[in-house]
Amino acid sequence: SQQGEEDPQALSIQEGENATMNCSYKTSINNLQWYRQNSGRGLVHLILIRSNEREKHSGRLRVTLDTSKKSSSLLITASRAADTASYFCATDSYGQNFVFGPGTRLSVLP
Amino acid sequence: DTAVSQTPKYLVTQMGNDKSIKCEQNLGHDTMYWYKQDSKKFLKIMFSYNNKELIINETVPNRFSPKSPDKAHLNLHINSLELGDSAVYFCASSPSGGNQPQHFGDGTRLSIL
Repeated sequence: SQQGEEDPQALSIQEGENATMNCSYKTSINNLQWYRQNSGRGLVHLILIRSNEREKHSGRLRVTLDTSKKSSSLLITASRAADTASYFCATDSYGQNFVFGPGTRLSVLP
Repeated sequence: DTAVSQTPKYLVTQMGNDKSIKCEQNLGHDTMYWYKQDSKKFLKIMFSYNNKELIINETVPNRFSPKSPDKAHLNLHINSLELGDSAVYFCASSPSGGNQPQHFGDGTRLSIL
């Protein structure tokens, strides 16, 4: 199975609500990154969190990392219609290539 | 200016043909990548080059051959195209390999008839 797996697979919320996406992985990591992909476009890097960090913020984004549970979460606060996209986590692990999960498709309804 | 640009954006061709996709980055990065994204959005790395040298070569059919004439360019040539090659191919770059954030192009949608 995938090294990084996001859940839920799809999420639909109203504008202004918060959106939380989770990522689980199997092996020890150096860091974990979150990316956004708008329809028909390439991936855009959002946040990188290192294995010795527990939480990082960037604007309306908050990422947490729990290495004991091998999981990460991405929280988008006060969502906007423009946040509609697919969100991917990617793990960098010793001796492994960079691995992307299958993504969470977020729909923010106006 | 587009940071990572790949051409063409769309490629429709018949089974058995040979085609190439070009990628260029103007970020001064040392490392470039090719990824394949299937219809279920799974994104899988195919190749990685660091300063024109191949450093990652995943289990990819040898019909796929990357070429890096210089560190700003990484092209992908595909021989004898098959139906299963239909996907979106993304080029990406990063300052160096390892844990650096990657910058992606907008993809080339390859459709095999």
